[in-house]
Amino acid sequence: DAGVIQSPRHEVTEMGQEVTLRCKPISGHDYLFWYRQTMMRGLELLIYFNNNVPIDDSGMPEDRFSAKMPNASFSTLKIQPSEPRDSAVYFCASSSGQGKDTQYFGPGTRLTVL
Amino acid sequence: GQSLEQPSEVTAVEGAIVQINCTYQTSGFYGLSWYQQHDGGAPTFLSYNALDGLEETGRFSSFLSRSDSYGYLLLQELQMKDSASYFCAVRADPMNSGGYQKVTFGTGTKLQVIP
Repeated sequence: DAGVIQSPRHEVTEMGQEVTLRCKPISGHDYLFWYRQTMMRGLELLIYFNNNVPIDDSGMPEDRFSAKMPNASFSTLKIQPSEPRDSAVYFCASSSGQGKDTQYFGPGTRLTVL
Repeated sequence: GQSLEQPSEVTAVEGAIVQINCTYQTSGFYGLSWYQQHDGGAPTFLSYNALDGLEETGRFSSFLSRSDSYGYLLLQELQMKDSASYFCAVRADPMNSGGYQKVTFGTGTKLQVIP
């Protein structure tokens, strides 16, 4: 398997613009997670899905953030409008939810909002 | 709520042994995981403890004491490539919902291995 795939790897945008981050989880994994990582706040869980259904979105910072999972192989995280404080690395991870429940992380998207 | 504490930075000499501690507070505890993250990279899974005791995987070992809400990661025969951040992560079902156990990451310990 190719692992978790994220795109784009880097995104630079201007304040106020819409940003869409994309993720393809590992085939067969029932859980998908979106994280944000910054120096100040560490690794924060934003939202997670089980079988394409959002289960816990308590980590989503504001209404400007939204996430969807239209099918088992694709998810998006959208920020509209973006702000400079949204600059961070966004990781997508997936897991089977079984056994050790290892989370497999994608390479991340480094977002810079100017 | 949930909380985890681990040291922010640790420095150790190549070839030595280092222990990274993690204390946690949560209800509905299931287990403690450890992840490694190199600068510019993604977190990768190292180990998971659900029961008390020591789990060994090569040069890395992880320990858990459920009664003390404490665990540690032990790295032996340190190599320069072990310089990275190490995160402990608690797997718990704090609402005792019987559903999925949420994973919460600590703030990470930056390990620097020096010659």
